[in-house]
Amino acid sequence: DAGVIQSPRHEVTEMGQEVTLRCKPISGHDYLFWYRQTMMRGLELLIYFNNNVPIDDSGMPEDRFSAKMPNASFSTLKIQPSEPRDSAVYFCASRTGWNTEAFFGQGTRLTVV
Amino acid sequence: AQSVTQPDIHITVSEGASLELRCNYSYGATPYLFWYVQSPGQGLQLLLKYFSGDTLVQGIKGFEAEFKRSQSSFNLRKPSVHWSDAAEYFCAMDTGRRALTFGSGTRLQVQP
Repeated sequence: DAGVIQSPRHEVTEMGQEVTLRCKPISGHDYLFWYRQTMMRGLELLIYFNNNVPIDDSGMPEDRFSAKMPNASFSTLKIQPSEPRDSAVYFCASRTGWNTEAFFGQGTRLTVV
Repeated sequence: AQSVTQPDIHITVSEGASLELRCNYSYGATPYLFWYVQSPGQGLQLLLKYFSGDTLVQGIKGFEAEFKRSQSSFNLRKPSVHWSDAAEYFCAMDTGRRALTFGSGTRLQVQP
């Protein structure tokens, strides 16, 4: 398996624009997580899904953020409108079952100017 | 509140020296515990994990960690550090909800 695949790797956008980050989890994994990493706040859980259903979105900072998982092999994290304080590295991770670890993608570095 | 604490933000060791990175957790029971490593511009790679059983767990790249219930700790160790070990290290726990709670990380610098 190619691992968790995120796209794009880098995104630079202007404030107010819509940004969509994409994630393809490892095949067979039934949990998918979106994390955000910043210097100030470290690694924060934004939202996670189980079997394509959102389980906990309490980490989503505000209504500008939304996430979907239309099928088992694809998820998106959308920010609309984007703001400079959204600049961060966004990681997607997946895992399955008990006694397993989470596998992380390479991340998307988002810069909002 | 459930949390993971890594007291050392930055550690510098000489190549060949031993290493211990500290991790403490706050949770009412025994969580699943993990150590991940992140090289610059990269994602997180699992070093080792503790679910149950033997409290001394072995991982990749010569790392090991010891779970101590009495101290709520899960410290990471390596007997001899290599320059390639320079990275950021994250301790994390899973309290059963499958999502990981991470510590703030420890940045390791290795001096030649």
